[in-house]
Amino acid sequence: EIVLTQSPDFRSVTPKEKVTITCRASQSIGRSLHWYQQKPDQSPKLLIKDASQSFSGVPSRFSGSGSGTDFTLTIDSLEPEDAATYYCHQSGNLPETFGQGTKVEIK
Amino acid sequence: QVQLQESGPGLVKPSQTLSLTCTVSGGSISSAGYYWSWIRQHPGKGLEWIGYIYYSGSTYYKPSLRSRLTMSVDTSKNQFSLKLSSVTAADTAVYYCAREGASGWCQSWGQGTLVTVSS
Repeated sequence: EIVLTQSPDFRSVTPKEKVTITCRASQSIGRSLHWYQQKPDQSPKLLIKDASQSFSGVPSRFSGSGSGTDFTLTIDSLEPEDAATYYCHQSGNLPETFGQGTKVEIK
Repeated sequence: QVQLQESGPGLVKPSQTLSLTCTVSGGSISSAGYYWSWIRQHPGKGLEWIGYIYYSGSTYYKPSLRSRLTMSVDTSKNQFSLKLSSVTAADTAVYYCAREGASGWCQSWGQGTLVTVSS
């Protein structure tokens, strides 16, 4: 089973700050890495698919990059509504797995 | 816009079987290229992928749950289901159903249903 390790576990940031979250896979998964945003008591929402493709309707301040074992989610100019937990998810190897999550709090 | 809705008992006794159904609307469960998944989230914890089923009935289950897990699909009702046997308190979680695109991204999720295992 592929282990996805996200860092950091927690970020407290001010609005308009740039946030970078990394996701490292225990073995290569190509570009089969996706990012989700989950707010309290809500279902996760897809932000980025296949490492760098923005999902329909997602604000342009969200972007993804990476391949192989190292991936990054970047939020340019954080908005207050971006307070949430962010998860990476790999589908390159079965069973699919998720990272442990990164909680982003607004100061 | 495909929508998914989980349904089933919110309380299950230990050693019994947890049964959930996901009803798909706004699209056909028989659409080629989509997989129908179950994902759970233990209280206050992260997401755990459980497995998926294709409309043809082919499945993949997470190995650690494989001995207790059964998924099925009913194309006539546009539904798919999960059964998890011999549950314990460790199976208490919010269970989500989701639609996975061909490369595995989950673009549509149900709202989730909390299942508590307790006597």
